[in-house]
Amino acid sequence: QKEVEQNSGPLSVPEGAIASLNCTYSDRGSQSFFWYRQYSGKSPELIMSIYSNGDKEDGRFTAQLNKASQYVSLLIRDSQPSDSATYLCAARKDAGKSTFGDGTTLTVKP
Amino acid sequence: NAGVMQNPRHLVRRRGQEARLRCSPMKGHSHVYWYRQLPEEGLKFMVYLQKENIIDESGMPKERFSAEFPKEGPSILRIQQVVRGDSAAYFCASSPLGDGYEQYFGPGTRLTVT
Repeated sequence: QKEVEQNSGPLSVPEGAIASLNCTYSDRGSQSFFWYRQYSGKSPELIMSIYSNGDKEDGRFTAQLNKASQYVSLLIRDSQPSDSATYLCAARKDAGKSTFGDGTTLTVKP
Repeated sequence: NAGVMQNPRHLVRRRGQEARLRCSPMKGHSHVYWYRQLPEEGLKFMVYLQKENIIDESGMPKERFSAEFPKEGPSILRIQQVVRGDSAAYFCASSPLGDGYEQYFGPGTRLTVT
């Protein structure tokens, strides 16, 4: 079992729709969770961090964390073609080391 | 406010040569992390360093790979006697504190071993 698992996708949504990305983690000691966006050939870009149960909103992005279910999600509202990328979920237990999922590729169709 | 800087951006080495990858963290950041992304694979943690200290090297291959973060200058990831399987994107990230703070990535170094 992978430490951090994501739906492999690809996920395709029409422009303006809500994209929902999911992630589960196996280590209950994980404390910090992050969503990164990675365009092809580029480096990961941090878009959200979440540390406590519940929802965290930032513009069109909402991260959700449920530690009891070991589940993290990212919602992208009003999806735009520029949101088309691979989204990486990361979990951190100890200071420093982040464990990444393999990513979900999102395509937003105009 | 400069971000994480890495150089070179692209590096070509022949089998058996040495590769040196450099990383300068963001201003005010004293923690550096190296990750490797093999083609069509996810990001894998390699090593976590603070100035003059290796904090966690649990992801480093046992042989040929080493990392340092000296008191002065950039962090360096060194790969000796490269093999084709070392071809990958190597990313450096930095954070202001190790525990709970976000890590910001540099542009990466794409290593190609011929």
